[in-house]
Amino acid sequence: AQSVTQLDSHVSVSEGTPVLLRCNYSSSYSPSLFWYVQHPNKGLQLLLKYTSAATLVKGINGFEAEFKKSETSFHLTKPSAHMSDAAEYFCVVSDHDGGSNYKLTFGKGTLLTVNP
Amino acid sequence: DSGVTQTPKHLITATGQRVTLRCSPRSGDLSVYWYQQSLDQGLQFLIHYYNGEERAKGNILERFSAQQFPDLHSELNLSSLELGDSALYFCASSVGGGLDNSPLHFGNGTRLTVT
Repeated sequence: AQSVTQLDSHVSVSEGTPVLLRCNYSSSYSPSLFWYVQHPNKGLQLLLKYTSAATLVKGINGFEAEFKKSETSFHLTKPSAHMSDAAEYFCVVSDHDGGSNYKLTFGKGTLLTVNP
Repeated sequence: DSGVTQTPKHLITATGQRVTLRCSPRSGDLSVYWYQQSLDQGLQFLIHYYNGEERAKGNILERFSAQQFPDLHSELNLSSLELGDSALYFCASSVGGGLDNSPLHFGNGTRLTVT
């Protein structure tokens, strides 16, 4: 069975400082991993996706994530936070459900606050 | 804009009632997924349809049902509503049917309040 753990429910940073949102996963197979962002009163938007190609994945809005198989981690980073980055972030693992389908498992989310 | 349209945006109803949530997927997408998001449960997968057929079921209650029509829009029916059903209900669509791992595109959700 697969699972996702977002290690922090809330992260607070100052504008212009680095962002680190941590995610660990477990999977029986070779998973794909995603980060989605949800702004208030909006649906989730795909930030980036890892599917067994390059381990360092670049996404939209300056975000990137590194897949580390040995650590079963897929942490999301950004060098310099912007006020518009304030939102909730979800780490998602996608893997075979044992049959022919992919099954998505969402983490519980990390709320990012950016202080001026 | 994700291209996924959900109506209505807000719905307020009483316990015991029945409501229908509607979703139009992004043009060209054959899959529709329904999710429920609440503060205590987080984001919960309900059900997945691909090209009109049910593909996978998640934590969907028996009081809830869904279908996907030939024009690919989908409806989620919630009946005998309880206070605990108050939540944000999201629809998402993707190109594939769960076999190609394509990313999901989410609508802005329907906020259901049961009083």
